[in-house]
Amino acid sequence: KNEVEQSPQNLTAQEGEFITINCSYSVGISALHWLQQHPGGGIVSLFMLSSGKKKHGRLIATINIQEKHSSLHITASHPRDSAVYICAVRIAKLISSGGSNYKLTFGKGTLLTVNP
Amino acid sequence: KAGVTQTPRYLIKTRGQQVTLSCSPISGHRSVSWYQQTPGQGLQFLFEYFSETQRNKGNFPGRFSGRQFSNSRSEMNVSTLELGDSALYLCASSWTGVGETQYFGPGTRLLVL
Repeated sequence: KNEVEQSPQNLTAQEGEFITINCSYSVGISALHWLQQHPGGGIVSLFMLSSGKKKHGRLIATINIQEKHSSLHITASHPRDSAVYICAVRIAKLISSGGSNYKLTFGKGTLLTVNP
Repeated sequence: KAGVTQTPRYLIKTRGQQVTLSCSPISGHRSVSWYQQTPGQGLQFLFEYFSETQRNKGNFPGRFSGRQFSNSRSEMNVSTLELGDSALYLCASSWTGVGETQYFGPGTRLLVL
């Protein structure tokens, strides 16, 4: 079982619809990232959050640490929102010196297509 | 401020060859992380460098290696290429590491024939 599961894998919406993409994880994390990847490969970091909710324009991200779940919402969707949305969790790794380092583990992504 | 740059953008190699990819981080960023993206496995963490030291490593064979220079530029090397190494290789930079917002480069698309 993957440490990070996203749903749905594919999502098609009409322009103007409210969209929700979900991310569940099975390990303890210190933060969660939402990334956007457009055709051609470029990745943009949308949010990094460790609790509560963040909003940027039409995008809203929420996280529930107890339930190990995060959602990304897009209000008033637009064709330019069409992209792959990827959830990534930051997992702390204890190191021998007593500190910790971090690595990112990614979900498989959700392909969003918004039709005009 | 210039973004993260990666060179080359596209590369075709044959099995058994080796390849070196380059990543120049945003000015001032000291952390560079490398990722492999394939259709089957998605994005996977390769390793992270900070101040010329490898700070973390993913689950990849020893054929995958990297280094970071004093100006924070980083290179990734893959030796004895296999067909399965065909992928998009992305690097990301930040001030201190993956504990903060990552800024991704455009990627290098490697095809191994």
